This record gives sequence, C-alpha cells and structure tokens, in this order.
Amino acid sequence: NAGVMQNPRHLVRRRGQEARLRCSPMKGHSHVYWYRQLPEEGLKFMVYLQKENIIDESGMPKERFSAEFPKEGPSILRIQQVVRGDSAAYFCASSPFRVGTGELFFGEGSRLTVL
Amino acid sequence: SQQGEEDPQALSIQEGENATMNCSYKTSINNLQWYRQNSGRGLVHLILIRSNEREKHSGRLRVTLDTSKKSSSLLITASRAADTASYFCATVVTQGGSEKLVFGKGTKLTVNP
Repeated sequence: NAGVMQNPRHLVRRRGQEARLRCSPMKGHSHVYWYRQLPEEGLKFMVYLQKENIIDESGMPKERFSAEFPKEGPSILRIQQVVRGDSAAYFCASSPFRVGTGELFFGEGSRLTVL
Repeated sequence: SQQGEEDPQALSIQEGENATMNCSYKTSINNLQWYRQNSGRGLVHLILIRSNEREKHSGRLRVTLDTSKKSSSLLITASRAADTASYFCATVVTQGGSEKLVFGKGTKLTVNP
C-alpha cells in the first residue's frame, strides 16, 4: 500500500505565477488535510477536505489560495499569483476516518520557492 | 492558533542519554499524538495517548499525559544518533463540525555520537 504521494517535491516559481501542488492520499483514505511549514517552525493547518467537499478552510488565506479533492484524481492545492511569502513546505496528510479517532499519514511535502 | 507548545525548543544530548520533551495544550482533548520529522521529510506518527490513559510505551518511547495540568511528555530512552529529528505534539481541535490536528512548534533534538 503506497503512502501519501505528493508532487512535485520541489517547485520554483517567479512572483505572479501559479503553483499547483498535488496529493494522492493513501488507498482507502477519504480525508485529506493540507498544512504549511515555514523553516524551523511547526505545521500550520490550512484546509481539510473530503471527497468533493471542503470541510474546513479556516487556515487558508481567502485570496489566491484554493483547494479541491475531486471524485477522481488527487487533491490539488492551488496558489495563484505567488509572492515571496508563499515560499514554504506544503504537506498533505490523509486518514481513513475523522482525525479525532486516529493518526494522520503524511506525504514528504512539496517545497515551494518563489523567486 | 497554537494548541500545543513544546519545550524545550532545542535539545542536544549524547548518544545513550535519555531525552525528555514536554508539551502543554490549552483545551480539553480526546487524545494527544506525537510525531517525528527528520530534516527535509514528512511527519511520521509515533504514538497516540488517549485522555483516559496516563502512560503509554512503544519501544524506547514513553509518553505520559496529565490532563489536570494539560501537559504531556515524551521520553526517548537510550538515545541514538538516528533519533536526531524534530518532535511535535498534536491535539485535535473541534470547531464547527470540523476536526483538525493542530501542532506545536516542536522540539529539535540532536543526538551526538
């Protein structure tokens, strides 16, 4: 059973471009979470999705950021018109149930650098 | 907002010594989880302790939970250089029908050979 797969692992964008980060959860997992991590800091919650639904986007900036988890295919975190402050590692995690009952399984992250 | 806060922020010890990391949290919990992150990698779940448990062991790991003090500790015994990593505690925050795992800032552990 493959783990949580994220791609790309590294992404370089110039200011104003778009960044698209993909996450394929573990097989059988319908709950997906995105987190952002700045260097030497902890993970900050961004968004929680279930298949075709955004459950909680309270940690995601309202401008320029969007997320989806379609019925078929990976979850996508999209950042439009990137700025230098968007440079960070973005982690996706999945679980088969609501997180209150158990652990999250993390991907290796996508590291975005904005020039 | 941070739910869990670990201390110390950084810890440097010699191989063979024990490492203790502490975590404090703010609201009531169903469980508390500890994760490990090697440099440049994703987080790996270590152990989950439920609110009705006081202590839990897994190999060289020992976790305690004191719900009256809203605190937990992670003890790594007989540390190895390979234990060098950042360690995070996390608790579930329930808000408006959503449950999400909220992490502290972590303790960066260095085990010197």
